[in-house]
Order: sequence, then C-alpha cells, then structure tokens
Amino acid sequence: DQQVKQNSPSLSVQEGRISILNCDYTNSMFDYFLWYKKYPAEGPTFLISISSIKDKNEDGRFTVFLNKSAKHLSLHIVPSQPGDSAVYFCAASGGAGTASKLTFGTGTRLQVTL
Amino acid sequence: AAGVIQSPRHLIKEKRETATLKCYPIPRHDTVYWYQQGPGQDPQFLISFYEKMQSDKGSIPDRFSAQQFSDYHSELNMSSLELGDSALYFCASTRGTSYEQYFGPGTRLTVT
Repeated sequence: DQQVKQNSPSLSVQEGRISILNCDYTNSMFDYFLWYKKYPAEGPTFLISISSIKDKNEDGRFTVFLNKSAKHLSLHIVPSQPGDSAVYFCAASGGAGTASKLTFGTGTRLQVTL
Repeated sequence: AAGVIQSPRHLIKEKRETATLKCYPIPRHDTVYWYQQGPGQDPQFLISFYEKMQSDKGSIPDRFSAQQFSDYHSELNMSSLELGDSALYFCASTRGTSYEQYFGPGTRLTVT
C-alpha cells in the first residue's frame, strides 16, 4: 500500500526553465512533508519541508506547495540548473512526538538539459 | 558541517552469514532511524531510536536487531542473511522533535 505516490518516474526540463515535481498522499494523518534529493551512491539530501498548517514554503530556488484538501504537494525549482539533475523523493511524516518515521514516495528522476 | 557517518560503505556477505552496520549521528542528534532501499525502490523504514530507547518499528525482519548506545551511535545487526537482504541501508538522525532527518551515505550490502 503506497501511501505516498510520485506518479511521474522521470521528468526532463531545459536549463533555466521551471521544474515541477508532484506528489500525492493518501494518509490524512500525515502532518509534515519533506523533499529530498538523491544522487547515485549517496544518501538522500534534505531540500525543503512544509507543515500541514501552511500551503507554501519557499527557500531560494525551491518552493513547495501543499494542497491539503487534494492531498497533493509539489516542488517547484526555478530556474532549473544542470546540477539539479537527480532523483527527488517526496516524504511524509505522521508527526505525533519524537522519532517520527518518514514514508517515502517512489521518486522522480529529474534531468535538466542544456 | 559534520554529517551522519555510516560504516562500512560496502559489505559483501554470503547467505546465512551475519553483518553489523554502524551509524554515527550528527553531533547532538539524539534520534536515529534505519531505512532499507532495495533496487529501484523507495527507502523503507526499519526501526528508530530516541535517547537509546527503541521508539518505532517498521518492516524489520526478526533476523535483524538494532540498538543505540550511550554515545548515540547505533548498530544494525543482521543474521541469517538472505539474498533478498541485498540493498542500500541508510541511517538518518535528528535532534529531539525535529522532523527533518539527515541521512548518511548508506551501506551497500550484497549477499551472495
């Protein structure tokens, strides 16, 4: 039962354009969402997060939007750079105290072309 | 800045052998999580520890055990290894109630 879904396994975007990565979830108990970037042979790197009480969080080129009613979030990268090419994982946490595990989506491979 | 350290980075074992993976969290982080990522899959939560006590348990086989020590490092012990245990094993750490987990580089375990 995949509670966090990333329906696009891959995405190709030209350098300088906007990259939009999407994520859907089914568990309404999730109250915190995170995006991670992963290069081959490395661990996931934390990018940006958002609490369920917000609908937008921005950090430099990265913006995450949350639509709670639709159980959908998206990561916008503007402008996209070749170094952004990696696999992006959406993750969700059920909150409620310490040591809350993350439930990951299946990942989207972003390729930024010149 | 100091990151999460995992050792070894690569490990090759035969079926039915045992393996021990180690994780050293970021300094002053008191919570450790273990995840398993199979080929082409997303990371799956195994187990977590907060202040040296197990705090949550996921899809961890009974053949696996883990603990967190007084210096907050953690070890994942895997016995009676099976071919299906071949995967990347990630450790992540946080401090207190923070949601953002910081991951180590992973240990690639290959069981032959």
